[in-house]
Amino acid sequence: DSGVTQTPKHLITATGQRVTLRCSPRSGDLSVYWYQQSLDQGLQFLIQYYNGEERAKGNILERFSAQQFPDLHSELNLSSLELGDSALYFCASSVVPGDLYEQYFGPGTRLTVT
Amino acid sequence: GENVEQHPSTLSVQEGDSAVIKCTYSDSASNYFPWYKQELGKRPQLIIDIRSNVGEKKDQRIAVTLNKTAKHFSLHITETQPEDSAVYFCAASKGGGSYIPTFGRGTSLIVHP
Repeated sequence: DSGVTQTPKHLITATGQRVTLRCSPRSGDLSVYWYQQSLDQGLQFLIQYYNGEERAKGNILERFSAQQFPDLHSELNLSSLELGDSALYFCASSVVPGDLYEQYFGPGTRLTVT
Repeated sequence: GENVEQHPSTLSVQEGDSAVIKCTYSDSASNYFPWYKQELGKRPQLIIDIRSNVGEKKDQRIAVTLNKTAKHFSLHITETQPEDSAVYFCAASKGGGSYIPTFGRGTSLIVHP
């Protein structure tokens, strides 16, 4: 157990819908990262937050948005869902941003869009 | 942007053999190269990493080498065991304050008892 929690574990929804994925970082970690893992695209970095502020963006679609709240939990919002958005979404956390501190991944949320 | 190629996509070895996974990257500014292990249905876990100022790093049965001139880095696992069976991902990043990794497509390592 990495100490990072994600809810829900599984999510099944229809095309065009909107969902929210939630992540709670390890105690003491200020930075949160979101990743998407799919058969088509592999593992991709989406976005990074540090202490409530967006720090870096990767291959995140405009239909997707995220935020980190004052209690440091983070939410990833996916809207106008398409079949291709079906994937495993991981959250990871680290003490601070950057590569000096290990990232710990959560168990992931499996999203299925039908 | 950065592009990371990883080979092979599947690697099958006998227990006790060595396994080598290779990655190449395109952006010469990348200076941090982590490797992740992901068991079936589990989360990725960092197993070893290397920075551009180092050519080789070892941790027990695992080693990573980096050739900055050729822009490639490799993961070496010696004396493989069945519990090493997993998907291994390499990544490259410019590092610093904003860690933005680009991942390889992964190598499925199968270790036969």
